[in-house]
Amino acid sequence: EVQLVESGGGLVQPGGSLRLSCAASGFTFSSYEMNWVRQAPGKGLEWLSYISNSGSSIYYADSVKGRFSISRDNAKNSLYLQMNSLRVEDTAVYYCARGRRGAGGYYFDYWGQGTLVTVSS
Amino acid sequence: DIQMTQSPSSLSASVGDRVTITCRASQNISSFLNWYQQKPGKAPKLLMYAASSLQSGVPSRFSDSGSGTDFTLTISCLQPEDFATYYCQQSYNTPWGFGQGTKVEIK
Repeated sequence: EVQLVESGGGLVQPGGSLRLSCAASGFTFSSYEMNWVRQAPGKGLEWLSYISNSGSSIYYADSVKGRFSISRDNAKNSLYLQMNSLRVEDTAVYYCARGRRGAGGYYFDYWGQGTLVTVSS
Repeated sequence: DIQMTQSPSSLSASVGDRVTITCRASQNISSFLNWYQQKPGKAPKLLMYAASSLQSGVPSRFSDSGSGTDFTLTISCLQPEDFATYYCQQSYNTPWGFGQGTKVEIK
């Protein structure tokens, strides 16, 4: 069974940093692309970042470019999101999501349960 | 960036109803369109991808259609477990944006 378990969320002051982790199991982690998606309270979904299976290719949404950094450790079956210079508007539930690529495009087929990040003074 | 607009933002329906949700892209995205279902306090769940493919385990009462800029998700016979929020997502290019969601509520 595919499982994605996020951790590392919590309360942080504006300007602070936080590192999220996503532990993967039930599939060959090193074969899959991974993503981070967030959801502000009561709001919709926002894709944040993508990393290829090897880590050699990375994309970011403009809203987090230069502040957030995605990485992975295939030996530990883990995905990470380093978040710096946090803002109040970064308050959200952060999901890791497995990506699948096919002829019909790109989609997120499995999601973790999410971890809440609250940025407040 | 490609903007995704869903309509309606919410709807009320009864068990057994046929429900249709519309998603419009700000530019041609061919068939690069996916649909997700999210229940309160839970992670999103993939329903359909590539504008026509049903994710494994998803009931056949869910279907979608469209290409280019206009897409629809149809639930043919609404069941109690279908009351949720539905999101479309384009995968034509990054940033892979989502619609704002359509909340399906019990009438």
